[in-house]
Amino acid sequence: RKEVEQDPGPFNVPEGATVAFNCTYSNSASQSFFWYRQDCRKEPKLLMSVYSSGNEDGRFTAQLNRASQYISLLIRDSKLSDSATYLCVVNRDNYGQNFVFGPGTRLSVLP
Amino acid sequence: GAGVSQSPRYKVAKRGQDVALRCDPISGHVSLFWYQQALGQGPEFLTYFQNEAQLDKSGLPSDRFFAERPEGSVSTLKIQRTQQEDSAVYLCASSPDGLPYNEQFFGPGTRLTVL
Repeated sequence: RKEVEQDPGPFNVPEGATVAFNCTYSNSASQSFFWYRQDCRKEPKLLMSVYSSGNEDGRFTAQLNRASQYISLLIRDSKLSDSATYLCVVNRDNYGQNFVFGPGTRLSVLP
Repeated sequence: GAGVSQSPRYKVAKRGQDVALRCDPISGHVSLFWYQQALGQGPEFLTYFQNEAQLDKSGLPSDRFFAERPEGSVSTLKIQRTQQEDSAVYLCASSPDGLPYNEQFFGPGTRLTVL
């Protein structure tokens, strides 16, 4: 089993749709969790950190379920500019400096 | 302000050639990371520095890969005797300190093609 797994995608959704991405991780000792966004042929950029209590940033909501080792990202009211690959990121150890990236889920928002 | 920069942006090497990839992190950032990203995959961790100390090199795929950060700022990733499977984008990232929950700031990457 891979350390971080994500929905294979791609997701093609119309503008205004709500879309959810799922991610599972295998290391129960992981302490830090993130969603990064990567545009085509660009570098990854932090979208949001994921906290135990769940957190929201505008149209984006992240959830963490430690018992199930599961992370989710919900995007409401999708915009064309949301088209990108979404990477789930988990730290590999307690020191948090060895990060594992999932394979990514590609999203295309269509007009 | 200036972000993370990497050079060269593109490198074509013949199989067996040695290459050196440079990373200039954000000024003052303590932590520096190298990743390898194959087409259609997420970045794979290679190694991590805190200042000049290489604290984790568990992701380096073979002893042909070597990284250094001698003065705790600029870092170089060297690949000796390149092979076709080394073709990938090499990403460098930095973060302000050694705390585990900090954002990593990525450079644009070096796209290496080994013929």
